[in-house]
Amino acid sequence: GAVVSQHPSWVICKSGTSVKIECRSLDFQATTMFWYRQFPKQSLMLMATSNEGSKATYEQGVEKDKFLINHASLTLSTLTVTSAHPEDSSFYICSARGQGAIEQYFGPGTRLTVT
Amino acid sequence: GNSVTQMEGPVTLSEEAFLTINCTYTATGYPSLFWYVQYPGEGLQLLLKATKADDKGSNKGFEATYRKETTSFHLEKGSVQVSDSAVYFCALNLPGGKLIFGQGTELSVKP
Repeated sequence: GAVVSQHPSWVICKSGTSVKIECRSLDFQATTMFWYRQFPKQSLMLMATSNEGSKATYEQGVEKDKFLINHASLTLSTLTVTSAHPEDSSFYICSARGQGAIEQYFGPGTRLTVT
Repeated sequence: GNSVTQMEGPVTLSEEAFLTINCTYTATGYPSLFWYVQYPGEGLQLLLKATKADDKGSNKGFEATYRKETTSFHLEKGSVQVSDSAVYFCALNLPGGKLIFGQGTELSVKP
């Protein structure tokens, strides 16, 4: 089946710094990638949708200047959390979908802790 | 608006028990419906799906039927195993690929 990886799997950073999370589709071309945030014991909330080569579309309430998303190739999307604060601590999950497909394939997630 | 409501967990069952996890939705149009499973330490995996009313999705002994009249997509399995312990998410798929997830239901199966 289709495989999506994320790196790093966990990261600790200091308040005020920026951190980048990578999402890669390993065996298919991902024309669309999605970024989610999951709080403990809660559901996944879609943050943004990115199509390769285009600007990301952010969900209402998500700060686009804080959560920078780049989807420069068909196998890689990055999420950069800028000027991170403790309230940004969360589990970030990406998913990827191929051209014309309905199914999204999910990465294993990245645990971000901001101290 | 579009939303998904699942029964609250955690659900604790003995091995070989019957499982039902309720899921209801509100949506405009005719979305596809999915069940995802998240095993400990792993990413979400698609368990089964149904793309139109009365479709039944099935996989690994799990089943769910897309019921438009009751706006439901309940997950069932006749005999659960310890290896089924995981968190289960019901989701509706809107045009453009946006997924709306329920809050997740944690299942724990005891030997």
